[in-house]
Amino acid sequence: QITLKESGPTLVKPAETLTLTCTFSGFSLTTNGVGVGWIRQAPGKALEWLVFIYWDDDKRYSPSLKDRLTITKDTSKNQVVLTLTDVDPVDTATYYCAHRRRVSGNWDTGDLDYWGQGTLVAVS
Amino acid sequence: EVVLTQSPATLSLSPGERATLSCRASQSVSSQLAWYQHKPGQAPRLLIYDATNRATGIPPRFRGSGSGTDFTLTIVYLEPEDFAIYYCQQRANRPVTFGLGTKLEI
Repeated sequence: QITLKESGPTLVKPAETLTLTCTFSGFSLTTNGVGVGWIRQAPGKALEWLVFIYWDDDKRYSPSLKDRLTITKDTSKNQVVLTLTDVDPVDTATYYCAHRRRVSGNWDTGDLDYWGQGTLVAVS
Repeated sequence: EVVLTQSPATLSLSPGERATLSCRASQSVSSQLAWYQHKPGQAPRLLIYDATNRATGIPPRFRGSGSGTDFTLTIVYLEPEDFAIYYCQQRANRPVTFGLGTKLEI
């Protein structure tokens, strides 16, 4: 059974760095083809894909946020860590991590077959 | 980027009725479209991938159809637990994009 859970601060000040952790179980980020993504949803807005990280440490970032985002993995802890620098009130959102459905081909994209419940982060 | 337009924004139906939700893409996404169900405070749930394929554990009353730019999610017989927000998402073009959602309410 695949589960994911996001954790991190609920409130961050403008210009600070936001760090979120995704802790998962039921799969390994050392297995060929496995990926984890981050998605966020600002109040009243559409879901927004942020990044994928893969078993081979390949990383694919959203073009609009790639200068501010960093993603890393710790396979010994079954965790993925997302950092977003220089946050602004527009970064206020619920942040989700999710398991990318295993499909070969375009590693820049994918859909998500298991999600965490999300963590709400306010920038103020 | 590909813009996904979902309609209607809100759909009011009763249990036992049939629900038809639409997702239109600003350019062709072939069949690379997924549907998700989201209830407040819960994790989003993948229902349909690649336009027509039900995800693991999804009951057959959920049906996806379409290709190119026009897609439909049909719930053929609404159960009380189906009232939620439904999102479509494309993976044909980078970046991945989502629709704004359709709220299915009782």
